[in-house]
Amino acid sequence: SQQGEEDPQALSIQEGENATMNCSYKTSINNLQWYRQNSGRGLVHLILIRSNEREKHSGRLRVTLDTSKKSSSLLITASRAADTASYFCATDAAGGGADGLTFGKGTHLIIQP
Amino acid sequence: DTGVSQDPRHKITKRGQNVTFRCDPISEHNRLYWYRQTLGQGPEFLTYFQNEAQLEKSRLLSDRFSAERPKGSFSTLEIQRTEQGDSAMYLCASSLTSQKTQYFGPGTRLLVL
Repeated sequence: SQQGEEDPQALSIQEGENATMNCSYKTSINNLQWYRQNSGRGLVHLILIRSNEREKHSGRLRVTLDTSKKSSSLLITASRAADTASYFCATDAAGGGADGLTFGKGTHLIIQP
Repeated sequence: DTGVSQDPRHKITKRGQNVTFRCDPISEHNRLYWYRQTLGQGPEFLTYFQNEAQLEKSRLLSDRFSAERPKGSFSTLEIQRTEQGDSAMYLCASSLTSQKTQYFGPGTRLLVL
């Protein structure tokens, strides 16, 4: 079963606009990561935020984490056509559980040129 | 290229046949993971190795599936008596024990006819 749910499932915006994706999860976590997947390819790690952090930046990416609501958001600023991809949040369960990541279903982002 | 590699990239087989996939992790990474991803879903954890030891298996890993990492380097995932429901992308990832970020290969796409 999948831990998280991304919202929206699909998002289409114009190049240059900002894109925001949300992720909710169910259990306590050690950290939360965001990955990008281009069509038919493997996943690329974007950013990791630990459970004791509230916000993190990396280039055009901004991630927030609210452990009280069990949710996270990924903001991509000044979007580019190359940002078109599926974006997944992945959690690492707290309490010594599985070391495999638990992924959500993803948000498919389309950047219109 | 020093990333994670997988072979083959695509495999078409008939129901009932056995298939084997290979994953070569990043050379200094001691952890290796297998995931399965079906269309429109996020990756689902199957199993992982710490060096040559298989430390965890998901309930998704039926007895028709077996994974090995005999020398703690490359790994193989075998599916016996394939079923149409096994059609999916099989992803391999590797990491260092001290890191939570996983580095993914391009995947092997399996189609069972």
